[in-house]
Amino acid sequence: QKEVEQNSGPLSVPEGAIASLNCTYSDRVSQSFFWYRQYSGKSPELIMSIYSNGDKEDGRFTAQLNKASQYVSLLIRDSQPSDSATYLCAVTHNTNAGKSTFGDGTTLTVKP
Amino acid sequence: EPEVTQTPSHQVTQMGQEVILRCVPISNHLYFYWYRQILGQKVEFLVSFYNNEISEKSEIFDDQFSVERPDGSNFTLKIRSTKLEDSAMYFCASSEIGRYQPQHFGDGTRLSIL
Repeated sequence: QKEVEQNSGPLSVPEGAIASLNCTYSDRVSQSFFWYRQYSGKSPELIMSIYSNGDKEDGRFTAQLNKASQYVSLLIRDSQPSDSATYLCAVTHNTNAGKSTFGDGTTLTVKP
Repeated sequence: EPEVTQTPSHQVTQMGQEVILRCVPISNHLYFYWYRQILGQKVEFLVSFYNNEISEKSEIFDDQFSVERPDGSNFTLKIRSTKLEDSAMYFCASSEIGRYQPQHFGDGTRLSIL
């Protein structure tokens, strides 16, 4: 079983729609959860972080965490063509910083 | 906004040669990391560094790899004798210490081994 597993892509949505990206993790002691966006050939760019169960909203992005189900998701509302990228789920285990384990990523295409 | 800077952006090296990748973390960050991403694959953790010593390393980080903080600003990754399979994008990241601190990534160095 992969440590961090993301829903297989690619995912294609029309402009203005909601894109839903999912991630599950295997280590129950995981502490911090991050969503990064990676454009082709570029570095991961942090877009959301979440640490407590529930929802966290930032602009068009909402992260959801359910530690009991070991599940974290990212919703992108009013998707734009510029949102087309690979989205990486990352999980950190330690309480004082430490390595992040990344999923394989889900490639999102937003069609105009 | 402060950022992590990496040099060079692209390094081409003959197999068997030594290579040093350089990073300048964000100035008030105390935790430093190296990750790599082979083309088309996921981002993989190599090593984390805190208080002038390695705090954690992965199986990838074998005796061919080393890290160093030679001065107050730079953080380097050395690969002693490069192999073809070392060809990848290498990302440096840094974070503040403490719970829940996100890691901020540099733009990466593309390493090509010939």
